[in-house]
Order: sequence, then C-alpha cells, then structure tokens
Amino acid sequence: GAVVSQHPSWVICKSGTSVKIECRSLDFQATTMFWYRQFPKQSLMLMATSNEGSKATYEQGVEKDKFLINHASLTLSTLTVTSAHPEDSSFYICSATRQNNQPQHFGDGTRLSIL
Amino acid sequence: QKEVEQNSGPLSVPEGAIASLNCTYSDRVSQSFFWYRQYSGKSPELIMSIYSNGDKEDGRFTAQLNKASQYVSLLIRDSQPSDSATYLCAADNNAGNMLTFGGGTRLMVKP
Repeated sequence: GAVVSQHPSWVICKSGTSVKIECRSLDFQATTMFWYRQFPKQSLMLMATSNEGSKATYEQGVEKDKFLINHASLTLSTLTVTSAHPEDSSFYICSATRQNNQPQHFGDGTRLSIL
Repeated sequence: QKEVEQNSGPLSVPEGAIASLNCTYSDRVSQSFFWYRQYSGKSPELIMSIYSNGDKEDGRFTAQLNKASQYVSLLIRDSQPSDSATYLCAADNNAGNMLTFGGGTRLMVKP
C-alpha cells in the first residue's frame, strides 16, 4: 500500500493564528511531497513541491513567507500557514510519491476555517 | 502552458450503464497518466495508472491511452450510485516529478 497520513483533519481558529499541518508517508519513503489547496467546487491548485532536505519550490502567486514548508525527512513534510486570515480558509491536501513517474498518494486533507 | 483538459460535466448515466470519461493533454512528453476519484469534501483517491498505449483493465474500470492523439479515457462498467464523484485526470511532466491535473468531470449515476 501507499498510505499518507495528514493531520489535523479540521482546524478552526481566529484570524492571526499560525496553523501547522503535518503530512506523513506511513509505509514508504517519499522522494517528493506536494501541497495543494482546493476551494469549494474548484479544482486542485498546486501550492508547492517539496523534496527532503531542500527548499520547497512554490508555484507562481503562492507566498513562501505566508506558507512555510519544512521537509525534514523522507516521511514528513509540514505546511505552516502563518498569520492566517479568513481568505486562507480552504481545504489543504498533501500528497507524496515514491519516485518519479509514480502516482501521487493523497492525505485525507485538512479543512482550515479562519474566523 | 501545459494543460490537461476535461469536460466539467455533470455526466449523468443510469445505474448499470457504462460511464465514459475523457481527458486530453497538451504536453507530448508526458509518459504517465492517472485517474483519481474525489468524493465531495474528500481528498483524491487513485483509481488507475496507465503508461502505455492501449487499454488497461482493473475490475469495472478500464483506462485507455492514445499518445498519438494525446487522449486518455476512463470507462466505468456497470455504474453504481456509489461511483458518483468527480473524476480527475492527471499527466506527469517532462521530469516525471510533477502531475498536472485536469479540472475534473463530475459523474452522477442515477438509481
């Protein structure tokens, strides 16, 4: 199997709070992890690509100082939404892949609601 | 701009019918193609991978790839109401380390 665990699954917090989301590959080593955001009734939007031990590559329009990504090991990547505001409310999903040309396996997603 | 295009739907089929989902891609160097199913409010779930021209069957699902036409499809036989979801098509990039997703096709299977 290829299990990716993501938590928390749901976060509700006040504006200005920083929120950390964890993504773990449980039964395989992930060469690359990806972070997506999905607004209601819209398609997946890639935010950044993360390789273990190196800086994340952010997609155009995604603020790297706003969305901090740390990929400390081959099984763990974290996304921190710093000083979150209501417009950051969304469904954040991570995925991981064993190697190039292999499918991405998704975590269950984190629903973030900023009040 | 590398793109993966899908008809957003909804595609409505009666229970027991064959659902045919289609996808085109613009990047000729793409080698790997994937179909994901996403239920409302949930994350995508991998259904099929296909790497070579032709058909690949897995249970009620058949993926078809035609690289010359840059076309990939997913057939769902004996459609069930539980198949109602959004189906995402994805193609890899030149380096094989990133996927481009289509916007998804919403499938509705009516009892």
